[in-house]
Amino acid sequence: NAGVTQTPKFRILKIGQSMTLQCAQDMNHNYMYWYRQDPGMGLKLIYYSVGAGITDKGEVPNGYNVSRSTTEDFPLRLELAAPSQTSVYFCASSPSGGAGETQYFGPGTRLLVL
Amino acid sequence: GQNIDQPTEMTATEGAIVQINCTYQTSGFNGLFWYQQHAGEAPTFLSYNVLDGLEEKGRFSSFLSRSKGYSYLLLKELQMKDSASYLCAVRETGNTPLVFGKGTRLSVIA
Repeated sequence: NAGVTQTPKFRILKIGQSMTLQCAQDMNHNYMYWYRQDPGMGLKLIYYSVGAGITDKGEVPNGYNVSRSTTEDFPLRLELAAPSQTSVYFCASSPSGGAGETQYFGPGTRLLVL
Repeated sequence: GQNIDQPTEMTATEGAIVQINCTYQTSGFNGLFWYQQHAGEAPTFLSYNVLDGLEEKGRFSSFLSRSKGYSYLLLKELQMKDSASYLCAVRETGNTPLVFGKGTRLSVIA
């Protein structure tokens, strides 16, 4: 199993540009999550999904959109990039979000908005 | 509201023992997790506590007191490779996503 994969690893965007961060998992997990991590800060939840076709907002959803058309994929869309979106983005998944289940993280995408 | 507090940085000597504390105030509680994150890498799971007491896994142990809203991660026989950030995370209810603290950056020195 590849686990959770993310592309690209690193990207530089200009202010106002758009991009999609890709996330895929091959563990047949129902739950998937997007977090961002700023320097010296913990992980903040952007969006999450409990299954194909179902998404919900996290703590910091503004400026982002998601979709979940398949169990495997959970892309994160930035429509109008702003410097405040410079961060490291982690995608994660878990089988069914159960109480004792850990979340498995992808390697992250580093995004720089200039 | 939710508040999870950890010290920002700690330094310890190779071969020693270090305790990283985490206090939490959340609207509910359904388990506490510890993750390790090396610089530039993804967090990886270390331990899970849902009942009061100590869970031991090799050199790492984690303790929970639900009445005090308190947990600690104990690392024994420190090695240089233990230099990393340690993240405390709480699951508030049912199967909601984890809420993370800001993490503690541990430096192990010779």
